[in-house]
Amino acid sequence: QKEVEQDPGPLSVPEGAIVSLNCTYSNSAFQYFMWYRQYSRKGPELLMYTYSSGNKEDGRFTAQVDKSSKYISLFIRDSQPSDSATYLCAMSDGSGNTGKLIFGQGTTLQVKP
Amino acid sequence: SQTIHQWPATLVQPVGSPLSLECTVEGTSNPNLYWYRQAAGRGLQLLFYSVGIGQISSEVPQNLSASRPQDRQFILSSKKLLLSDSGFYLCAWSEGLTGERAQPQHFGDGTRLSIL
Repeated sequence: QKEVEQDPGPLSVPEGAIVSLNCTYSNSAFQYFMWYRQYSRKGPELLMYTYSSGNKEDGRFTAQVDKSSKYISLFIRDSQPSDSATYLCAMSDGSGNTGKLIFGQGTTLQVKP
Repeated sequence: SQTIHQWPATLVQPVGSPLSLECTVEGTSNPNLYWYRQAAGRGLQLLFYSVGIGQISSEVPQNLSASRPQDRQFILSSKKLLLSDSGFYLCAWSEGLTGERAQPQHFGDGTRLSIL
């Protein structure tokens, strides 16, 4: 079983839809959670960073963490064609000094105009 | 602000040739540095990481090596490339020595390597 599971998609939605992207994980020690967006032929860029459980909102993006269920989500409101990309979740327990993160496989999102 | 540079953006090399990919970070000191490979439609595979000059940890046995000759310079090398070395190579950095708080990683724009 992988430490982090993420549905690879692709996920196709019409413009303006609410998108829900999800990751599940097995290590209960994870407490730092990140979402990255990766456009084709580019490096991943950090979208959201959250600590422990709860919600964090930034514009049209909301990150949600449910540690009891070992489940994290990224919601995109009013999705735009420019949101078409691969979204990767990443997480860490924060221990050690290596800074290593555990990444999901990524979900490919296509927003159709 | 911090920036990360990776070059070249695209590289086509014959099997058996050597490789050197370079990554530099600006605007920070003593960062943690990482090399990843990303196969088409796949996730990120961590190849090497470094917490300081001359300190390299390898995550997977392979045909590649890494070096960190300066604080903000990270180099990925191979003496003889294999067909299986083709892929998208990404360099990343994060703040070092942050105790128990995890720091996000910040990525360069990658090198697309094709082996012929």
